[in-house]
Amino acid sequence: GNSVTQMEGPVTLSEEAFLTINCTYTATGYPSLFWYVQYPGEGLQLLLKATKADDKGSNKGFEATYRKETTSFHLEKGSVQVSDSAVYFCALLNTGFQKLVFGTGTRLLVSP
Amino acid sequence: DTEVTQTPKHLVMGMTNKKSLKCEQHMGHRAMYWYKQKAKKPPELMFVYSYEKLSINESVPSRFSPECPNSSLLNLHLHALQPEDSALYLCASSQGLWPLHFGNGTRLTVT
Repeated sequence: GNSVTQMEGPVTLSEEAFLTINCTYTATGYPSLFWYVQYPGEGLQLLLKATKADDKGSNKGFEATYRKETTSFHLEKGSVQVSDSAVYFCALLNTGFQKLVFGTGTRLLVSP
Repeated sequence: DTEVTQTPKHLVMGMTNKKSLKCEQHMGHRAMYWYKQKAKKPPELMFVYSYEKLSINESVPSRFSPECPNSSLLNLHLHALQPEDSALYLCASSQGLWPLHFGNGTRLTVT
């Protein structure tokens, strides 16, 4: 079946620190991969995506590379800000399915 | 500002009440979704409508009844809910399979 595994949180960082949130997946076929972010009291927003192996998604300083050989899609940012504090969800969508499969989410807390 | 609008933002209802959640989008998307999100958990898919027809029902109890009156509107009718149904209910829409555009949700409390 299809599944997504994310690192447990919370991840606590100081402002300007480097961020990595690990995400690995299990899927048949060739899924598309996504990172969504949820700020407190809000719905989910698409942060970035990659639709095939070796694609790099990027947005707002965040990056993630679709690695088929390691079935991973780790989220990185070189210098986090307090405003990046949120819950980050890794997700996959497999070909022919209408169901987005989410990881359990990782809470990021950035302190000044 | 989110392009998917959900009302109300908060709802408190008793177990014998009937209420409805409403979702609206004007992006011309032809797929609309209901998700349920419990605290500190990822969203769980409940229903998918494609071209105003129900295409996926994730074995949701019949006390939740979706309705898609037109391509811009999606409702979720609630009846005889249980306290464990308290959650954030998220609506989403998409043109193809992705990306999903989410609303900010309705926080439902069942007393």
